[in-house]
Amino acid sequence: GAGVSQSPSNKVTEKGKDVELRCDPISGHTALYWYRQSLGQGLEFLIYFQGNSAPDKSGLPSDRFSAERTGGSVSTLTIQRTQQEDSAVYLCASKVGRGADTQYFGPGTRLTVL
Amino acid sequence: SQKIEQNSEALNIQEGKTATLTCNYTNYSPAYLQWYRQDPGRGPVFLLLIRENEKEKRKERLKVTFDTTLKQSLFHITASQPADSATYLCALARNTDKLIFGTGTRLQVFP
Repeated sequence: GAGVSQSPSNKVTEKGKDVELRCDPISGHTALYWYRQSLGQGLEFLIYFQGNSAPDKSGLPSDRFSAERTGGSVSTLTIQRTQQEDSAVYLCASKVGRGADTQYFGPGTRLTVL
Repeated sequence: SQKIEQNSEALNIQEGKTATLTCNYTNYSPAYLQWYRQDPGRGPVFLLLIRENEKEKRKERLKVTFDTTLKQSLFHITASQPADSATYLCALARNTDKLIFGTGTRLQVFP
């Protein structure tokens, strides 16, 4: 497919467990973003990767959150010791380069922490 | 701190009318502004981009205005259709690749 894909689409976990969310960006897109969207809320920026540059982690809410991008393509967002307030939809987006390019979003992963 | 405001209440209009959604911002001077559409259970989809030196941009039934003095963007859908029902998000950026999103306004178009 030509779009951004994310897996799993839904994840239910118990409080205290670790989770990994995956994002496959559009091939050739150098920029990749992770956002969090809580019920009825806007998109909250988490982290941004651009090519081989150091990622912008300024939006990560705590040190329980981390992300990596291997080979400039697939990205994994890891949440350690999940809390109930981590429940949200996690969206990934990619774009071609820098500046005002369009961001293409994946369908998101709905995370529920019991 | 930077703040983007979109009407949190849903906008309900009749089919065929023009829908107008508002995006206001404070403590920010964006270089460009984007509008996205989001349907339930899906990621946002890009609609239009307007730069700080542009006052108006059109695409088919969509029109966006950008008033940097009022710190406001208006998003218009003319001849609205039930298929236009969705949540519409505005997003701003300055000299950075990071977009700041508003909370969105839900539009409901009734037949």
